[in-house]
Order: sequence, then C-alpha cells, then structure tokens
Amino acid sequence: DSGVTQTPKHLITATGQRVTLRCSPRSGDLSVYWYQQSLDQGLQFLIQYYNGEERAKGNILERFSAQQFPDLHSELNLSSLELGDSALYFCASSQGPWDEQYFGPGTRLTVT
Amino acid sequence: ELKVEQNPLFLSMQEGKNYTIYCNYSTTSDRLYWYRQDPGKSLESLFVLLSNGAVKQEGRLMASLDTKARLSTLHITAAVHDLSATYFCAVGPYQETSGSRLTFGEGTQLTVNP
Repeated sequence: DSGVTQTPKHLITATGQRVTLRCSPRSGDLSVYWYQQSLDQGLQFLIQYYNGEERAKGNILERFSAQQFPDLHSELNLSSLELGDSALYFCASSQGPWDEQYFGPGTRLTVT
Repeated sequence: ELKVEQNPLFLSMQEGKNYTIYCNYSTTSDRLYWYRQDPGKSLESLFVLLSNGAVKQEGRLMASLDTKARLSTLHITAAVHDLSATYFCAVGPYQETSGSRLTFGEGTQLTVNP
C-alpha cells in the first residue's frame, strides 16, 4: 500500500458523459501526477500539480481537466467521453516536484 | 521528445534461469526507475537509480544504470514463478520544462514457467 488513495476503483459510464476521478496523495506529499494506461497507448503522463499549481502538462486532451485543492487532493475531470477513453487512470504523489513518485491503486474507467 | 524503449516486450522463461531486460532512452536524464505491475494492479516501485554506474539489488532482481550509454538493465537471477509480472522502466525529469513527469517504456511481460 503506497498511501495514495483513489476513488472510485471502477467506473462504467456511457459515451458523451462526464466523470470525476479523485486522488488523495500520501501524507506530506505536495505533488500529484495523473497517468493514463491503455492497451494501445501504454502508460502516459497527463498532468502534474505541485502545491495547488499546475506544473507540467503531457498528452492531456482538451476534454480532460484537473485541479489540486488546498487540502492537496486532486480531481481529474473527463468529459464528452469516448470509447477510446476507457483505460486505467493512475494518480501518483511525491513529496517534492523531483522526488520519487508513489502510485495509487488506479481507477478503471469503462466507457460503453 | 524523450523516447524509452524496452526489450524484449515479452519474455517467457523457465524457473531457475537467468535473463536480462534492457531499457534504452534517448535523452540525458537524471533518474531511472523500475516498476513492477501485476495484472490489473498498480505500479510497485522496485528500484530508483540516480547516477551513472548505480547498481541496486533486491532478492533475485538487480538493476544497473549507464547514463553514458543511456541504458539500464534489469537482471533476473534464478527466476521463480512469483516474478511473473510486467516490468516497466521509466525515465525521470530530464529538463526543467518537462516538469517531473515519468516517461515509461512499453513494459516487458515476464512469464516464468515451472
């Protein structure tokens, strides 16, 4: 158990819908990262926040957005969902922006 | 753009045998990580390699880093069934503008047969 929590564990929704994935970092960690894992794209970095501010952006679609709240938890919002958005979404956290990242258990999103 | 390549992508080996997984990356980087993933599960950190020549060992796994060659290896000694999993290497921050993202290889799916 890494100490990073993610909810929900599983999410099944229809195309066109909007969902929110939630992540709580390890106690004391200020940096949160979101990654997407799919069969065709592998593990891809989406976005990073450090102490409430966006620090780096990867291949994140415009339909996706994220934020980190004052209590340091983060949410990833996915809208206008498409079949291809079906994937495992991982959140990771680290103490500082350059420290080792610890991964949460993931949220499996299925879009039907 | 940083590229990380692993080989082999699939590895089927017998218990008791030795083998090496290779991880090549395209740009100078500070840090190299190895993770293990069981099917449908999260990523478990195995090793963090921070400098040229770094070697770390844990049980039957040993990882090394050659930053000049931009190559890391994960060596498996006397494999056992419990090592069956997918192994990923990931390269850490390589420039200020990239933030602290990890760039992952494709993963090596290891199956250890009795």
